[in-house]
Amino acid sequence: AQKVTQAQTEISVVEKEDVTLDCVYETRDTTYYLFWYKQPPSGELVFLIRRNSFDEQNEISGRYSWNFQKSTSSFNFTITASQVVDSAVYFCALSEAGAGGSYIPTFGRGTSLIVHP
Amino acid sequence: EAGVVQSPRYKIIEKKQPVAFWCNPISGHNTLYWYLQNLGQGPELLIRYENEEAVDDSQLPKDRFSAERLKGVDSTLKIQPAELGDSAVYLCASSQVGGRGDEQFFGPGTRLTVL
Repeated sequence: AQKVTQAQTEISVVEKEDVTLDCVYETRDTTYYLFWYKQPPSGELVFLIRRNSFDEQNEISGRYSWNFQKSTSSFNFTITASQVVDSAVYFCALSEAGAGGSYIPTFGRGTSLIVHP
Repeated sequence: EAGVVQSPRYKIIEKKQPVAFWCNPISGHNTLYWYLQNLGQGPELLIRYENEEAVDDSQLPKDRFSAERLKGVDSTLKIQPAELGDSAVYLCASSQVGGRGDEQFFGPGTRLTVL
């Protein structure tokens, strides 16, 4: 079963528009972590944010904001006033506990964001 | 601070040939990850090391894939023999402590094409 679902394969916007990238996750753990990573055309994934399951506070960092809602198992990412440099593939990821301290980070399929000038 | 280094960046081989990828993590990072990323997909973990020990390798196809991390620093991922379906990007990442809440730092990846 897919544990991280990013239903939007590709989103296209014009510069300065706001855009929200959706992420829905599935886990039986009570303790887990959620992440967002950005993968620009160069290929290196870049960490954006981490949230643990006990912290549902929304977070804002510049033009980026994140909305974590356990009730709907969602961790959505909004970019305000998008810019061409925001064009990239964005991945949502989940880390939950495994047996004996192991864990396997699970990534969604990613959402490709294209921002047109 | 230098990032995660991977080489080669690109590799083209014929099927049934062996291939190896090398990764140098960020200095001081105890945990190293190898991921496979197919086109249009998210990274999938192949193996995770804490220092020299492989602690999560359940997703590594051990019939043809092998990995090592000697001295707990650099790591090598090998495929022998390669198959057409192995064409993908192989990503290496490292993190400082290794907890599941750790931020991971990724390298640029090695793009493998198997003909």
